[in-house]
Amino acid sequence: QVQLQESGPGLVKPSETLSLTCTVSGGSISGYYWSWIRQSPGKGLEWIGHISYRGSANYNPSLKSRITISGDTSKNQFSLQLSSVTAADTAVYYCARHGHFCGGDCYFDYWGQGTQVTVSS
Amino acid sequence: EIVLTQSPGTLSLSPGERATLSCRASPSISSSYLAWYQQKPGQAPRLLIYGASSRATGIPDRFSGSGSGTEFTLTISRLEPEDFAVFYCQQYDSSPGTFGQGTKVEIK
Repeated sequence: QVQLQESGPGLVKPSETLSLTCTVSGGSISGYYWSWIRQSPGKGLEWIGHISYRGSANYNPSLKSRITISGDTSKNQFSLQLSSVTAADTAVYYCARHGHFCGGDCYFDYWGQGTQVTVSS
Repeated sequence: EIVLTQSPGTLSLSPGERATLSCRASPSISSSYLAWYQQKPGQAPRLLIYGASSRATGIPDRFSGSGSGTEFTLTISRLEPEDFAVFYCQQYDSSPGTFGQGTKVEIK
């Protein structure tokens, strides 16, 4: 059974960089696409971006200038960096796996439990 | 980007009743690239339906999806106590993938 686990600071100061890591167990990150998704009361569920098993990334245009998603196959992990954060970036952040036989635009069949990130001084 | 509008916002039903949830896409989705998720408090969304009508692994057959173009429907044939939750639709026809705002199915 594939399991995903997000990790990282729960509190980030305004203007700083949010950094999260998703560790995948029970399966390899190779052969799949992986996404970051966030959920806030004001904006609902929002796709942030994805990384492919080849290491190429695609980002939501609304966040593109501030996002970097990278992968580490040796650790079976992928990571999110979101720069210049503001209070509007406060949300629960999820990592998720794309469905099989599915490319960058896809549904999500496995999700992490989510991690609350609050932006505040 | 494609905007998904779900209705109703809240559905109040009793166990055993039928639930019908709507998801409207604007502009239309050219394929059947629509998914449905269930989310309970404090949990991540769980995939129910993909490809508009295919049930995900382990999902009971009381959940069914239908529709195409601009109108999609999730039907729960007979509500079980564990089904009460918030349901979201998601389109993956074009990037960026987008989600609806959710329909809450609550116990009447």
